[in-house]
Amino acid sequence: EVQLQQSGAELVKPGASVKLSCKTSGYTFSNYYMSWLKQMPGQNIEWIGNIYGGNGGTGYNQKFKGKATLTVDKSSSTAYMDLSSLTSEDSAVYFCATAIRDWFAYWGQGTLVTVSS
Amino acid sequence: DTVLTQSPALAVSPGERVTISCRASESVSTRMHWYQQKPGQQPKLLIYGASNLESGVPARFSGSGSGTDFTLTIDPVEANDTATYFCQQSWNDPNTFGAGTKLELK
Repeated sequence: EVQLQQSGAELVKPGASVKLSCKTSGYTFSNYYMSWLKQMPGQNIEWIGNIYGGNGGTGYNQKFKGKATLTVDKSSSTAYMDLSSLTSEDSAVYFCATAIRDWFAYWGQGTLVTVSS
Repeated sequence: DTVLTQSPALAVSPGERVTISCRASESVSTRMHWYQQKPGQQPKLLIYGASNLESGVPARFSGSGSGTDFTLTIDPVEANDTATYFCQQSWNDPNTFGAGTKLELK
């Protein structure tokens, strides 16, 4: 069974950074792309970017370049996303999702990030 | 970016047929996918490539369309289909999602 287990909720101060994790099991991590997505309350889902589990190659939505940095640890089949210089506009639920070709077949449960002083 | 437009909400009775539409601002070929999201949960893939049913998804769900106009059909609707349904295109970079259609049961 494919599982994506995300790290817990974060409360962070404006200007700070946060690192989210997504630990996978049940499939060959290095053979697929992992995407990260943002969902603000009652709003669209936005695609942040993706990273290939095999070689760490990345692709980003232009909107999130400089905001998000994606990395992987193949040894633990875990993907990470660093978010920097956080503002209230970064408060959202962030999902990791495994892409089968270009659709998102498996999703993590989401991590709520709240930016507040 | 490619904008996907969905109607915001629909209300239907159990047993009825419902179609949820998604219109793209430019052609996305057949690279349109549909997800169901219930409150507090992650999205769940229903349909990929416009018309392909994801494994394990009931055959009550079907998808159609190409180019700019797509539909997700649920027939018949059941009570536990209450959710928000999102379309997503992957033909144009970046991937984009529609704002979602909230389906309520009467």
